[in-house]
Amino acid sequence: IVLTQSPGTLSLSPGERATLSCRASQSVAGNYLAWYQQKPGQAPRLLIYGAFSRATGVPDRFRGSGSGPDFALTISRLEPEDFAVYYCQQYGLSPWTFGQGTKVEFK
Amino acid sequence: DVQLVESGGGLVQPGGSLRLSCAGSGFTFSSYWMHWVRQAPGKGLVWISRINSDGYSISYADSVKGRFTISRDNAKNTLYLQMNSLRDEDTAVYYCAMNLPSDNWGQGTLVTVSS
Repeated sequence: IVLTQSPGTLSLSPGERATLSCRASQSVAGNYLAWYQQKPGQAPRLLIYGAFSRATGVPDRFRGSGSGPDFALTISRLEPEDFAVYYCQQYGLSPWTFGQGTKVEFK
Repeated sequence: DVQLVESGGGLVQPGGSLRLSCAGSGFTFSSYWMHWVRQAPGKGLVWISRINSDGYSISYADSVKGRFTISRDNAKNTLYLQMNSLRDEDTAVYYCAMNLPSDNWGQGTLVTVSS
């Protein structure tokens, strides 16, 4: 399954809302879709799994949505620490695959 | 606390081989599927392989199939990635991760393929 993320870069200011898209080349079985945040020099951090469920300790400003081939990650109000690269990943069908990433940068 | 520590990265010539290791601690290693994910410099994450808890079910990305071999030694709490016929495009930080999707990743080990 090929995952296509858009946009490639999102230029926003703190306090603004961010909406990131992840489109799969075919339906993702069981909504087995996760979202990760990665900052430079760090391993990825799991934000969302099962399309909707927040991982432990993830603030509720992060919300996952969607089903089938179309998924989204919404950050309701950007905090300074949210500026990073975000990846979606499907784990419903082997081989597991990641999207190419969306960078959320300061405007 | 869960800890995953990769080792074995370094500089290797094209066509060469390298074996990466990932030592797990703080959890029952033998109960979990394990994965290798890589990230080329300045690029995105790429899943490359996974192995189930007893080592009998394995999957690879097409880009490494036939060249890389994943294995595990549950008695030593260690995951391995044998990488053969290395190419320039295999240059990346290689992460091991537990039971994707997961917050449990190693710190990564850099593999550089260059002449």
